[in-house]
Amino acid sequence: EPEVTQTPSHQVTQMGQEVILRCVPISNHLYFYWYRQILGQKVEFLVSFYNNEISEKSEIFDDQFSVERPDGSNFTLKIRSTKLEDSAMYFCASGGQGVTDTQYFGPGTRLTVL
Amino acid sequence: AQTVTQSQPEMSVQEAETVTLSCTYDTSESDYYLFWYKQPPSRQMILVIRQEAYKQQNATENRFSVNFQKAAKSFSLKISDSQLGDAAMYFCAYRVLDSNYQLIWGAGTKLIIKP
Repeated sequence: EPEVTQTPSHQVTQMGQEVILRCVPISNHLYFYWYRQILGQKVEFLVSFYNNEISEKSEIFDDQFSVERPDGSNFTLKIRSTKLEDSAMYFCASGGQGVTDTQYFGPGTRLTVL
Repeated sequence: AQTVTQSQPEMSVQEAETVTLSCTYDTSESDYYLFWYKQPPSRQMILVIRQEAYKQQNATENRFSVNFQKAAKSFSLKISDSQLGDAAMYFCAYRVLDSNYQLIWGAGTKLIIKP
């Protein structure tokens, strides 16, 4: 069964550094998402992406965040200058042919900012 | 704004018994989807079951079923014949059918299975 994959599984970085989190969505999916979950808190929506552009973003997704689908298979989340409060689990999800399709999640990347 | 509430931070159940996890939501929309996701210790988010609001019939997936009460805005998950592998955090999530793409999440319920 096809699945969403994410790399790395754990990323440790120094405050102020840039990080890129990578995701490979399910191959025929068209809708892509990033969520984050700070330890012990609710899952929060960051951004959705369709047709090579952002379709929706939350207040969390400020100028330090960006997303890209560089090569038709990968979907990346870049955090330009990490802060301590960016430490969280970051989940990528992809959805099928329609916006109403179920979102399938990757295993997550645990980001630790020191 | 839409919100999702899971009032049970933790539930425990004896193996092979049945447990029900509660979820309520607040919305003014009429068309939406509801989901239950499971997050085991590996922290991967796994879809358990999905319900379309326009469907009156409750969704079922093997040992998992929901009790969807649209008027009451309630969406509980029943797990029958609980197994040790069901131990996980369970999250209820809501999604508007049109315009919005995001899932809105509850705080989660930790399910403990007693052998």
